[in-house]
Amino acid sequence: NAGVTQTPKFQVLKTGQSMTLQCAQDMNHEYMSWYRQDPGMGLRLIHYSVGAGITDQGEVPNGYNVSRSTTEDFPLRLLSAAPSQTSVYFCASSTFFTGGGGYTFGSGTRLTVV
Amino acid sequence: QQQVKQSPQSLIVQKGGISIINCAYENTAFDYFPWYQQFPGKGPALLIAIRPDVSEKKEGRFTISFNKSAKQFSLHIMDSQPGDSATYFCAAHGGATNKLIFGTGTLLAVQP
Repeated sequence: NAGVTQTPKFQVLKTGQSMTLQCAQDMNHEYMSWYRQDPGMGLRLIHYSVGAGITDQGEVPNGYNVSRSTTEDFPLRLLSAAPSQTSVYFCASSTFFTGGGGYTFGSGTRLTVV
Repeated sequence: QQQVKQSPQSLIVQKGGISIINCAYENTAFDYFPWYQQFPGKGPALLIAIRPDVSEKKEGRFTISFNKSAKQFSLHIMDSQPGDSATYFCAAHGGATNKLIFGTGTLLAVQP
């Protein structure tokens, strides 16, 4: 099994450009989420999805859009890139769990906005 | 508002020593507390986790201590090795929401 696959691994954007970060999982997980990781700030939730067709905002959603047309895919779109969006982005998936279990993370996309 | 507070931000330990990372949470609705380990250039990976009805959980050299009344939990790494050098995140699971709220991370360096 591939687990959670993120593409691309690295990307440089100019301010104002748009792009889509891809995330795919092959574990039939209902739950998928996007985090950004910044020094000293840990992992912050951007958007999440509890199943195909259902998405919701996390802690830092501004400037990002998501959609979930299939169980497997959860792309993250940057509408108009800003330098503040320079970060490492992680996609994660899981089944629904209480009292046990965990997320599976992708290997990340390192984005630089100049 | 940071729901999970983690300290220290960085930690240097000699090989064979004990590494201790502390976390505190606010929301009593959290139902599960995992720790994630992240190596450079990789995504976080689940290391060990505990439920709030348990005071301690041990897996090999890694132990979680949990104090429900104080709303604190900590990770102890016994006999720390250079291969343990990584960033460690504590987290709290939001029950029915399935959200994981992460601490700010601790960069651990184990010197040989």
